[in-house]
Amino acid sequence: ETGVTQTPRHLVMGMTNKKSLKCEQHLGHNAMYWYKQSAKKPLELMFVYSLEERVENNSVPSRFSPECPNSSHLFLHLHTLQPEDSALYLCASSQDSEIGGAPRDEQFFGPGTRLTVL
Amino acid sequence: AQKVTQAQTEISVVEKEDVTLDCVYETRDTTYYLFWYKQPPSGELVFLIRRNSFDEQNEISGRYSWNFQKSTSSFNFTITASQVVDSAVYFCALGDAGNNRKLIWGLGTSLAVNP
Repeated sequence: ETGVTQTPRHLVMGMTNKKSLKCEQHLGHNAMYWYKQSAKKPLELMFVYSLEERVENNSVPSRFSPECPNSSHLFLHLHTLQPEDSALYLCASSQDSEIGGAPRDEQFFGPGTRLTVL
Repeated sequence: AQKVTQAQTEISVVEKEDVTLDCVYETRDTTYYLFWYKQPPSGELVFLIRRNSFDEQNEISGRYSWNFQKSTSSFNFTITASQVVDSAVYFCALGDAGNNRKLIWGLGTSLAVNP
């Protein structure tokens, strides 16, 4: 495997289900990201992990729970979602060259998980 | 406040036409970075270019070229002799120190190149 992989590619779940999205990066990067992409909206950054520590949480509802067990893997645990959570969830990674400054490092994205909440 | 505007929602051209995708940004920082990404139908965003605020030189990469003008706060992207494989959604994004790791994304321009 190369680049950033995400599984599953498609997921349909009911509002009472619990599921997890998985992301793996094979690039040796030190930062990983979860984004939500909805139609007609800008890409929304959800969580950022740098060196396996969460450094950003953009007011995401608690029904989304991230986990970063090591620098190569990132999970997004989902429970009691709402239909408006249906979207494309994208994972990305980067090699941070500067902490605290302007984000200047290119991010490498996975193909996303298309989530539908019924 | 930081903002990125891609005024063109959808563009449709015929193969071999040149097409320019507009990007206008707003920031108060003097140090910032601008990005273009391409999102083909497969879903993953693909990095195309990064430009920092101190480098106003235009860049050309094959059929792709970028025009960065600080005077108009624009970072436009031109595809010369477009091809069907260029069909995708193109996103412009801004990174500045005020938002740490958070890129400010435009809404994207959907480009359809027809044979």
